[in-house]
Amino acid sequence: DQQVKQNSPSLSVQEGRISILNCDYTNSMFDYFLWYKKYPAEGPTFLISISSIKDKNEDGRFTVFLNKSAKHLSLHIVPSQPGDSAVYFCAAHEDDKIIFGKGTRLHILP
Amino acid sequence: DTEVTQTPKHLVMGMTNKKSLKCEQHMGHRAMYWYKQKAKKPPELMFVYSYEKLSINESVPSRFSPECPNSSLLNLHLHALQPEDSALYLCASSQDPGRVVGEAFFGQGTRLTVV
Repeated sequence: DQQVKQNSPSLSVQEGRISILNCDYTNSMFDYFLWYKKYPAEGPTFLISISSIKDKNEDGRFTVFLNKSAKHLSLHIVPSQPGDSAVYFCAAHEDDKIIFGKGTRLHILP
Repeated sequence: DTEVTQTPKHLVMGMTNKKSLKCEQHMGHRAMYWYKQKAKKPPELMFVYSYEKLSINESVPSRFSPECPNSSLLNLHLHALQPEDSALYLCASSQDPGRVVGEAFFGQGTRLTVV
């Protein structure tokens, strides 16, 4: 059973607009959530994280929102740029484990 | 140095071969991980080493044998693999295991093909 779910396999967004990537989780013991970006043939690159005791974390164009009651988090990218086209993985941390969702492929359209 | 270095980048091996994947980091991280990623799937955790001791084995078949010779190195020994083991093998490290650790740093991966 998937503990971290990204229900949208792909998303297309116009350059300059906001990209919103969603993630749901089932395990209330997760203490930290992370977003990774992955280009083909490369390892995942860390983007931004949020502790389970926070509801928002912002870093430049990237903001992550956490709704613990809904077990939902989202990554907002504003404004979206062509280089943002990649696969985005939501991940959750518990003890020594980092568990990944299936990823959402983001296409930024010119 | 914020890199996790994996060698080789590509590996083709036969089902009777023995080979090893290597991973190195010099960030002083005390948790190191092996992940396996098949095409269009998320990375799947295989092993976790905490302070050079194996702390998690996600029911990985014994044809995969991890080794952590010291705090900077992590190996994955491969023997009698099957074609379905072909995948991208990712190594990662993070600062402290079992705590709020922030991000894990990933290597570029080894693309393994078993023929």
